[in-house]
Amino acid sequence: DIQMTQSPSTLSASVGDRVTITCRASQSISSWLAWYQQKPGKAPKLLIYKASSLESGVPSRFSGSGSGTEFTLTISSLQPDDFATYYCQQYNSYSVLTFGGGTKVEIK
Amino acid sequence: EVQLVESGGGLVKPGGSLRLSCAASGFTFSSYSMNWVRQAPGKGLEWVSSISSSSSYIYYADSVKGRFTISRDNAKNSLYLQMNSLRAEDTAVYYCARARIVGALPAAFDIWGQGTMVTVSS
Repeated sequence: DIQMTQSPSTLSASVGDRVTITCRASQSISSWLAWYQQKPGKAPKLLIYKASSLESGVPSRFSGSGSGTEFTLTISSLQPDDFATYYCQQYNSYSVLTFGGGTKVEIK
Repeated sequence: EVQLVESGGGLVKPGGSLRLSCAASGFTFSSYSMNWVRQAPGKGLEWVSSISSSSSYIYYADSVKGRFTISRDNAKNSLYLQMNSLRAEDTAVYYCARARIVGALPAAFDIWGQGTMVTVSS
């Protein structure tokens, strides 16, 4: 099975900061990667699909990049609404889908 | 409004069974693959199972294979998860989620329900 490793697990940042989260796959997944945002007590929200495509309605300060085994989610200027936990997910494999362990973005 | 609403969660004893339902509205349910994802208290997301639009393709995580059964009724716009032989480690919020692209499996999940809590405890 494909393993997804996110780093860091926790990130402390201030409003206005540029934030980067990394996700590594244990084998190539081409560009079949999604990023989600989750706030406490809420369902996850799709931010990015196919590694770099912005989901409709998602602010342009969110961007994704990468292919193969290394991917990044970047928030260009962190806003108060962005403090949340972020997950990557691979959907390259038809039979097993995998999420990363999550990155919690906290207020510094 | 595009919406998914889960129901059927609750408290069940180890070894027991539970059936979760997910009611879809606001989109052509029969055109989309559907999924179940769970989240144990304080933990990350775990994919559980996927089913294609016509139920031709079904996949399970190893952790639930042989115990859980995913199904759907396109006439009723509903997705189900039959959970048998439940264990304490199955305790989680269970979400249903829609695949982002019509007919695609696998795909990113663009619509999620609010989740239903399943607690397995004696």
